[in-house]
Amino acid sequence: GQQLNQSPQSMFIQEGEDVSMNCTSSSIFNTWLWYKQDPGEGPVLLIALYKAGELTSNGRLTAQFGITRKDSFLNISASIPSDVGIYFCAGQRAPNFGNEKLTFGTGTRLTIIP
Amino acid sequence: NAGVTQTPKFQVLKTGQSMTLQCAQDMNHNSMYWYRQDPGMGLRLIYYSASEGTTDKGEVPNGYNVSRLNKREFSLRLESAAPSQTSVYFCASSDPVGELFFGEGSRLTVL
Repeated sequence: GQQLNQSPQSMFIQEGEDVSMNCTSSSIFNTWLWYKQDPGEGPVLLIALYKAGELTSNGRLTAQFGITRKDSFLNISASIPSDVGIYFCAGQRAPNFGNEKLTFGTGTRLTIIP
Repeated sequence: NAGVTQTPKFQVLKTGQSMTLQCAQDMNHNSMYWYRQDPGMGLRLIYYSASEGTTDKGEVPNGYNVSRLNKREFSLRLESAAPSQTSVYFCASSDPVGELFFGEGSRLTVL
């Protein structure tokens, strides 16, 4: 099955720094989702994007649905210790909307250096 | 709110042993899912159930069986465990096109 290419695989940053990660695919997607997984927990939805070019914010998080519909970006501003975890993108290829059609990225592990 | 509850949280099996992972949700969702998470692979769908009484294969169903016992419960069974099934397993539920809610995961090691 197809996997979404997510980069970087891991990031080591200092508290207060901004973070950027992205997800790319060779296929067109009609929905992009960003999840965060805390250590020892299941993923939790952060942001959902439904329209090409859409820019959506959730607090310090901002995500964009790429204009080509083949990529998406997540930015975190002014990182804090609780931002540590694994961030996953997920997409649904047109024209399907069911969750069984969701494809997950390989994840970006964020570590904050004291 | 309990949300999605999985048991057990940890399990060690020997090759060839069988076991069942249990999952229950209290959000009255129609759809339930089983995923496995492996390093560098993200989450991959094993089986899903769009509604009570139906189950369908996902991306990686080989070696697994599922049962949708009722609307709340969806179990995953390994009949003859193999080392390749060492993974973290996540159960999730949703409305068919709604947000996925995940359990805390079950870490399985097959020796």
